[in-house]
Amino acid sequence: NAGVTQTPKFRVLKTGQSMTLLCAQDMNHEYMYWYRQDPGMGLRLIHYSVGEGTTAKGEVPDGYNVSRLKKQNFLLGLESAAPSQTSVYFCASSQSPGQLSTHFGNGTRLTVT
Amino acid sequence: GQQLNQSPQSMFIQEGEDVSMNCTSSSIFNTWLWYKQEPGEGPVLLIALYKAGELTSNGRLTAQFGITRKDSFLNISASIPSDVGIYFCAGLNYGGSQGNLIFGKGTKLSVKP
Repeated sequence: NAGVTQTPKFRVLKTGQSMTLLCAQDMNHEYMYWYRQDPGMGLRLIHYSVGEGTTAKGEVPDGYNVSRLKKQNFLLGLESAAPSQTSVYFCASSQSPGQLSTHFGNGTRLTVT
Repeated sequence: GQQLNQSPQSMFIQEGEDVSMNCTSSSIFNTWLWYKQEPGEGPVLLIALYKAGELTSNGRLTAQFGITRKDSFLNISASIPSDVGIYFCAGLNYGGSQGNLIFGKGTKLSVKP
């Protein structure tokens, strides 16, 4: 049982490049989330999904898009990367809307130069 | 939006000492959660608190849900080197079809053997 798996673990992009971060969970969770973590800022919610085919904006959605075509996968896309998007990205999943059973992945460290 | 003030930002303590950290908010939360994050990993849930005044323990960890529902405390007794990490508080309100966690900025704990 792998839990929540994020790929890649590290990535370096140049400004303007695009990329997709993949999150996969094997717990049959309904809810999935993408957070970014910056020094001294804690975790901030980018986008989330309450079920297959649904997505919604979180606290800091600008510059990101997401898709949930399959229940087990939640993709985070950057269409035109900017240095301000340099961060550590965490995916999480939970069975209930209360997030009391939230499981986090181990993060993707993204650097945009 | 809602914000959590977590203090202290960092702590340097000697092995065996007790630790105390807290979170305060200007608004009420229905649930308080405490997470620990170790280097290179995602946050892991330590304790969840569901009602005002509740005091809950998990081994050497004890957390309390403030009576005003605007604060929470985490205490670690007899610290050991493996307690090192960043501790996050998170508040949760149920709203509509989903509930979103609001994270504090973290308390970085260092323990000298």
